[in-house]
Amino acid sequence: DGGITQSPKYLFRKEGQNVTLSCEQNLNHDAMYWYRQDPGQGLRLIYYSQIVNDFQKGDIAEGYSVSREKKESFPLTVTSAQKNPTAFYLCASSTERTGEQYFGPGTRLTVT
Amino acid sequence: QKEVEQNSGPLSVPEGAIASLNCTYSDRGSQSFFWYRQYSGKSPELIMSIYSNGDKEDGRFTAQLNKASQYVSLLIRDSQPSDSATYLCATLRLYNFNKFYFGSGTKLNVKP
Repeated sequence: DGGITQSPKYLFRKEGQNVTLSCEQNLNHDAMYWYRQDPGQGLRLIYYSQIVNDFQKGDIAEGYSVSREKKESFPLTVTSAQKNPTAFYLCASSTERTGEQYFGPGTRLTVT
Repeated sequence: QKEVEQNSGPLSVPEGAIASLNCTYSDRGSQSFFWYRQYSGKSPELIMSIYSNGDKEDGRFTAQLNKASQYVSLLIRDSQPSDSATYLCATLRLYNFNKFYFGSGTKLNVKP
């Protein structure tokens, strides 16, 4: 069963703590992405990676970090430097053949 | 100016009618175009891809692309209440192959 998995579905943290969101795909896609979505808003790109061991900052990278050590995995760390971390976080991957991008189910992070 | 513009809606149509969703984009280098459906609280789901001028039909959905006018549309025939969702338009730029630009989405309400 091919797809993108994100865990956990819901995450609660105290302010000042770093937290890592998991994203795994078995679609054999080279490119992977992290987006943030706030209530009633569109998607904002945090980081993207086109190949293993390489990634680029998106539009709102401050306060976030990523790694891409394996093709299948692209974890996102939300650091304490991120001022407003409460949001819906979406991981995606895309195929270079068609350019189509597919999303995981998302992680809803609440920081209090 | 935003890369991709959509009317936020809500667009209300009666059940059985045709819903017409529109999107404009600013970069003539955009070569691939996508429509996503996002139900409340869920992640976006790819429903249509279009790459060349003209119409592309898939079941009740028709995507239309006019590159000269930098305009993409999605028609939903025989609209059903289950079509009620937010529809996101996305583009992929030619010279930065893997970076996507999303509109903020149009909320569609189909009334029984």
